[in-house]
Amino acid sequence: ELKVEQNPLFLSMQEGKNYTIYCNYSTTSDRLYWYRQDPGKSLESLFVLLSNGAVKQEGRLMASLDTKARLSTLHITAAVHDLSATYFCAVEKAGGFKTIFGAGTRLFVKA
Amino acid sequence: NAGVTQTPKFRILKIGQSMTLQCAQDMNHNYMYWYRQDPGMGLKLIYYSVGAGITDKGEVPNGYNVSRSTTEDFPLRLELAAPSQTSVYFCASSPRGSSNYEQYFGPGTRLTVT
Repeated sequence: ELKVEQNPLFLSMQEGKNYTIYCNYSTTSDRLYWYRQDPGKSLESLFVLLSNGAVKQEGRLMASLDTKARLSTLHITAAVHDLSATYFCAVEKAGGFKTIFGAGTRLFVKA
Repeated sequence: NAGVTQTPKFRILKIGQSMTLQCAQDMNHNYMYWYRQDPGMGLKLIYYSVGAGITDKGEVPNGYNVSRSTTEDFPLRLELAAPSQTSVYFCASSPRGSSNYEQYFGPGTRLTVT
């Protein structure tokens, strides 16, 4: 059974600091997704990582994937208040279409 | 393009009532999904469809039914609503081709069963 674990579940950080959110999963996966969700809103797609060693960057966010370690990271560089949100990773089971979400990391960036 | 639209935005149901949550997309995506999100949790897949006429169960299908008669529409039916179905329901669609596997989410339907 595919399980997805994120840590930390809650993160409070100062503006200007760097931090990393981790996403571990338990079985072989075809794709890994990162989403952002603002309170009371829908999900916004950030990254789709397709293969081992994939790295994608958008602004202050960078995501990477290590399929051998079954680990993805979302790195935040020089955080700003606007990045405050909940970040989810989601993993698609190999050979299928079922996507399993992590519990989410609630990020709060203090001005 | 309107993207993925969902109706209604909010609904309160009594235990035992039934309802259909509507989902439509105008991007000609073959793949569509229904998720539920309980407070403070991640999303759980209820059902998905890989094209018109083809649907399959996700993680938590019990108490729900779906149909996919057209590429655009993917309604979710709740029969005999129960308090455990109180949740926010999101519909999503994806092209899943040409290296684009992104899922596009609708705004959600907030359902309360009392």
